[in-house]
Amino acid sequence: DAGITQSPRHKVTETGTPVTLRCHQTENHRYMYWYRQDPGHGLRLIHYSYGVKDTDKGEVSDGYSVSRSKTEDFLLTLESATSSQTSVYFCAISETGTGVNYGYTFGSGTRLTVV
Amino acid sequence: AQKVTQAQTEISVVEKEDVTLDCVYETRDTTYYLFWYKQPPSGELVFLIRRNSFDEQNEISGRYSWNFQKSTSSFNFTITASQVVDSAVYFCALILNSGNTPLVFGKGTRLSVIA
Repeated sequence: DAGITQSPRHKVTETGTPVTLRCHQTENHRYMYWYRQDPGHGLRLIHYSYGVKDTDKGEVSDGYSVSRSKTEDFLLTLESATSSQTSVYFCAISETGTGVNYGYTFGSGTRLTVV
Repeated sequence: AQKVTQAQTEISVVEKEDVTLDCVYETRDTTYYLFWYKQPPSGELVFLIRRNSFDEQNEISGRYSWNFQKSTSSFNFTITASQVVDSAVYFCALILNSGNTPLVFGKGTRLSVIA
């Protein structure tokens, strides 16, 4: 329902290959985030963006890069996929960088399996 | 740095029982927001509630209630008369009201309600 979509929804890839996940929003929100969800770890921040070409690292950024060349798209790239990057990846958007609004809107997630 | 702890990894209750999910947080900031999200088996993240650090009033929404106590840095969530549809993973999260510090999640509590 919300203006945020992730693609692909599911992907299986081989170890060592590059993989790019896409997050697309139609809300014109300034802030975008990538989290990964793993059992026993909850959601952990990978990278986030606070504007076009403005990005910063999160808690688990090693092995990942991001790009944001336009407001609506935030790309997450696994430079050389490893089995430890098998996870569910969530994108989120926010109008502000704080909780003043009602927090984040999350995408439906991308399930990535690295074999 | 901010931290959210959900000590209960998994809880199992019988339908119609009441259940409380614990959330303890750490921050040195005085202004922040706390959130609860629900993740049903389908995988999406559903916003449940946002609480401002200045508002310690408890909140009730149908069978759900939240107890915010700054003195103990806790924001607990109670489900009254649990139902099978309440089975999900529940996440507590915190975000500051300043800067661009992203939302920090606890590791989640998996609630199973047995008919």
